[in-house]
Amino acid sequence: GAVVSQHPSRVICKSGTSVKIECRSLDFQATTMFWYRQFPKKSLMLMATSNEGSKATYEQGVEKDKFLINHASLTLSTLTVTSAHPEDSSFYICSVLTSGGLYEQYFGPGTRLTVT
Amino acid sequence: DAKTTQPPSMDCAEGRAANLPCNHSTISGNEYVYWYRQIHSQGPQYIIHGLKNNETNEMASLIITEDRKSSTLILPHATLRDTAVYYCIVHSGANNLFFGTGTRLTVIP
Repeated sequence: GAVVSQHPSRVICKSGTSVKIECRSLDFQATTMFWYRQFPKKSLMLMATSNEGSKATYEQGVEKDKFLINHASLTLSTLTVTSAHPEDSSFYICSVLTSGGLYEQYFGPGTRLTVT
Repeated sequence: DAKTTQPPSMDCAEGRAANLPCNHSTISGNEYVYWYRQIHSQGPQYIIHGLKNNETNEMASLIITEDRKSSTLILPHATLRDTAVYYCIVHSGANNLFFGTGTRLTVIP
């Protein structure tokens, strides 16, 4: 399967600042990546679908101006949390969609964001 | 995608087989059954998937009933490192996966 990395693994920022999270597909050229968010003791919730070279598709209730997604290459997608607030503190996880005959997703290790 | 139902939690003794059930009575003909697991504070890890035949890989076995309305993930010799939340997902196509609440498996020494 695909190897996916995220950077940083954890970040603490002050309220009102912006944070960028990188998702890299290390051994697969990913046309499509997904961004999920997971609150403590809850399941993963899809935030947006990131397509290389085009605008991301956001899920209902996810503000596209607050969570900026850039998928400029086949190996890199970034999620920027703008003007972060404490309620944005969460575990952010990306995944890569592979298409080797059957669509499979491989996930990054996640980024723990804490907004103080 | 079809909805799945899993028990919220299970315990298993270390070294014994862990059998995790999943009901997916509304599964459609082109949907596969996928299993992922998430160890605490990590991203989900793909385990196995199948359509209608039983499948086995180095991690686990997947048993799908003949009517495809339920399945069982089997970890043949559970270790402490298998403690995780296990998600059963039925899915087709190139869109996102819907994660339900999963089964929290605790392997007991």
